[in-house]
Amino acid sequence: QAVLTQPASLSASPGASASLTCTLRSGINVGTYRIYWYQQKPGSPPQYLLRYKSDSDKQQGSGVPSRFSGSKDASANAGILLISGLQSEDEADYYCMIWHSSAYVFGGGTKLTVL
Amino acid sequence: EVQLVESGGGLVQPGGSLRLSCAASGFTFSSYSMNWVRQAPGKGLEWVSYISSSSSTIYYADSVKGRFTISRDNAKNSLYLQMNSLRAEDTAVYYCAREALFHWGQGTLVTVSS
Repeated sequence: QAVLTQPASLSASPGASASLTCTLRSGINVGTYRIYWYQQKPGSPPQYLLRYKSDSDKQQGSGVPSRFSGSKDASANAGILLISGLQSEDEADYYCMIWHSSAYVFGGGTKLTVL
Repeated sequence: EVQLVESGGGLVQPGGSLRLSCAASGFTFSSYSMNWVRQAPGKGLEWVSYISSSSSTIYYADSVKGRFTISRDNAKNSLYLQMNSLRAEDTAVYYCAREALFHWGQGTLVTVSS
């Protein structure tokens, strides 16, 4: 079982909100990790969006709009990237990441389609 | 402005070697840890290696351990990745990234093929 699991794809309408999940493997407690989120558009390197551990331990990337936010669902053992007021430019691949056992570990990525 | 520029990629035969470089500017290079991350064509991101600011701590992904060596030269503001015993599955765009992957270069393509 992968350390981090993301749904392969997600579709949402312009102006709506999208909730991207990053589920941690059983036995790895989401509460103890900072979860990092990255956006990647075709032909470009990933861009750092934000990191979230708790409401008192979070960081927004430089220039990243506030409509991108992070949270956690402890009951699902998952990190969440919420994108509100979806725009066509938000269509991209999104990756979550944690630092685990002396390694950075990525989720498989979610392709977000805005249509 | 933080700038990271990778170089050294290219076509190499299986079993061959390649050395990647990453030139850093716009920040105090010697104060930051650095990483290499790769992305195979059409695939997701895979972290490769980490080096602390003073080179005292180094980590590798299991997939490259024993074959790749990360290093840095703080006097030259440069990060390196020596890649030996290359395999077809090492084919990817290789990115250097600062600290907790807050800043990324544009990447350099490594193709391992006969």
